[in-house]
Amino acid sequence: TQLLEQSPQFLSIQEGENLTVYCNSSSVFSSLQWYRQEPGEGPVLLVTVVTGGEVKKLKRLTFQFGDARKDSSLHITAAQPGDTGLYLCAGSNDYKLSFGAGTTVTVRA
Amino acid sequence: IAGITQAPTSQILAAGRRMTLRCTQDMRHNAMYWYRQDLGLGLRLIHYSNTAGTTGKGEVPDGYSVSRANTDDFPLTLASAVPSQTSVYFCASSDSVGGYNEQFFGPGTRLTVL
Repeated sequence: TQLLEQSPQFLSIQEGENLTVYCNSSSVFSSLQWYRQEPGEGPVLLVTVVTGGEVKKLKRLTFQFGDARKDSSLHITAAQPGDTGLYLCAGSNDYKLSFGAGTTVTVRA
Repeated sequence: IAGITQAPTSQILAAGRRMTLRCTQDMRHNAMYWYRQDLGLGLRLIHYSNTAGTTGKGEVPDGYSVSRANTDDFPLTLASAVPSQTSVYFCASSDSVGGYNEQFFGPGTRLTVL
């Protein structure tokens, strides 16, 4: 059983559309991170959110941490083919990360 | 270039054989981790080390061992490989003291056990 549940598992959209990926848990985390992974490579950190209700923006990506620090979302505005990849959320407690299974995003040109 | 290197890139191994996956970081991070990534299961922690000389068990430690003789190296050993250990293995490091355990990952080792 995954400590963090991500939805949807797969997402395929047309270039220019918006998308949202969700990361939910019954556990409280001291911080939550989002990573992106491309085929054949290791995950790369996108952002860390720490405070309940926090919103961070990274160009066209918006990350939100739930008020109770149990859930998070990633919203991409006007997606581009370069946004294609596996998006992973990870909750941090006790200096260890627990990862969700990931959402595979495909943006078609 | 600062980062994490892993070796080998890929390996096909006969069941029962011993195998060591190598991981080296040059960022002087105190903490290091080994994960396996399987389709639909995400990244699962095998073993970790918060500082040189100490190690701990993660979520799926059985069949694996690690050592941390110095800050830079964190090898993962499969004493007697089994087909269920077929996976992609990632090593990661973080400067966990005073931070949020943001991890940097290596490129991975793809291991197939036949």
